[in-house]
Amino acid sequence: DIQLTQSPSFLSASVGDRVTITCRASQGISSSLAWFQQKPGKAPRVLIYASSILQSGVPSRFSGSVSGTDFTLTISSLQPEDFATYSCQQFTGHPLSITFGQGTRLEIK
Amino acid sequence: QLQLQESGPGLVKPSETLSLTCSVSGGSINSGTYYWGWIRQPPGEGLEWIGNIFYSGATFYNPSLKSRVTMSVDTSKNQFSLNVKSLTAADTAVYYCARDFGYDDTGHRGTFDVWGHGILVTVSS
Repeated sequence: DIQLTQSPSFLSASVGDRVTITCRASQGISSSLAWFQQKPGKAPRVLIYASSILQSGVPSRFSGSVSGTDFTLTISSLQPEDFATYSCQQFTGHPLSITFGQGTRLEIK
Repeated sequence: QLQLQESGPGLVKPSETLSLTCSVSGGSINSGTYYWGWIRQPPGEGLEWIGNIFYSGATFYNPSLKSRVTMSVDTSKNQFSLNVKSLTAADTAVYYCARDFGYDDTGHRGTFDVWGHGILVTVSS
């Protein structure tokens, strides 16, 4: 089974900061990785899919990239509404299998 | 606008079977391009994929839950369902249903883009 390891698990930052969250896959997973944002008591919201494609309606300060088995979510300038938990998620096909990372909690400094 | 709504019991006894339904409104579950999925989240923990189902009834399950999980779809009611048997306290979680939009117009693999609000299921005697 493919494992996704996110780092850091916890991140403290200030409004206006640039932050980066990494998701490392235990083996190659092509580009089928997505990033979600989740606020307390709410369902997750997709931000990025296929490693770097911005979901419709998501602000452009969010971006995704990949290098080998390391996937990165970057928020270019933190806004107050961005403080939340971020999770990565991967697909493998044939048969379909889906895995989530353990989450990164982003809190205001 | 597509909306999903989970329904089912909030409290289930250990060893019993959990049955949840996801009602889809604002769109048809019969679309040939979407999967429909269940994801759960234990209190204070991360997300765990349970399984996906296609409108045709084809199912794909998390290998760690496969022996206890059954999903089905009722296109006449625009609903899909989840059964989890032999429950233990470890199955206590918020259960979400969601649409997996499959592939976008450029052939890229998409993900869960529409979610229900979630339903908290507690397994306790």
